[in-house]
Amino acid sequence: GAGVSQSPSNKVTEKGKDVELRCDPISGHTALYWYRQSLGQGLEFLIYFQGNSAPDKSGLPSDRFSAERTGGSVSTLTIQRTQQEDSAVYLCASSFLGGSGANVLTFGAGSRLTVL
Amino acid sequence: QQQVKQSPQSLIVQKGGISIINCAYENTAFDYFPWYQQFPGKGPALLIAIRPDVSEKKEGRFTISFNKSAKQFSLHIMDSQPGDSATYFCAARALRGSTLGRLYFGRGTQLTVWP
Repeated sequence: GAGVSQSPSNKVTEKGKDVELRCDPISGHTALYWYRQSLGQGLEFLIYFQGNSAPDKSGLPSDRFSAERTGGSVSTLTIQRTQQEDSAVYLCASSFLGGSGANVLTFGAGSRLTVL
Repeated sequence: QQQVKQSPQSLIVQKGGISIINCAYENTAFDYFPWYQQFPGKGPALLIAIRPDVSEKKEGRFTISFNKSAKQFSLHIMDSQPGDSATYFCAARALRGSTLGRLYFGRGTQLTVWP
């Protein structure tokens, strides 16, 4: 597509439920990133995919968080047993690997998660 | 710990004035420094970026100044306009080594330009 697409744009869930957030990157972008944005906390790195593998998942805050990427394209971030502190905007970004475009991350509009 | 430190947290500037946002880093493996601009309800978008082999880069009203020895870089917005009101993030990335691919962001600066 023309840009990075994320769904849902808004999700309200009850504490303890599982949620799945989806990211559809720009076609041809081999690198995909998940960040979390909380009020006043900037952008917190979660995980980075190169193709379907995740060479850096050091930012995942707990084992309740997991992510996968299939076909070198769509990625899903799953949060199990959600907690109120998981409330944030989850941003996905993609980029080329290699060449002058490797440095430019294109972000989606984010998925706003509210855990009641 | 915060790999990139950004200040101020918020900034109010009169229309036509100069907005200045500062960032500092410690990791000498960083060799790419972008600035991102974010409007409410949108994802951050690349504004301007610099490599440490130059001390300044200018694109229109936006200028990055880079001081490699001090490990500091700053964004200057000349002739600030109300449409520049947004949150600005500085960032840094290592283009080699084990952290390849990871962009470290500052906490952001909320800029308000009054008409």
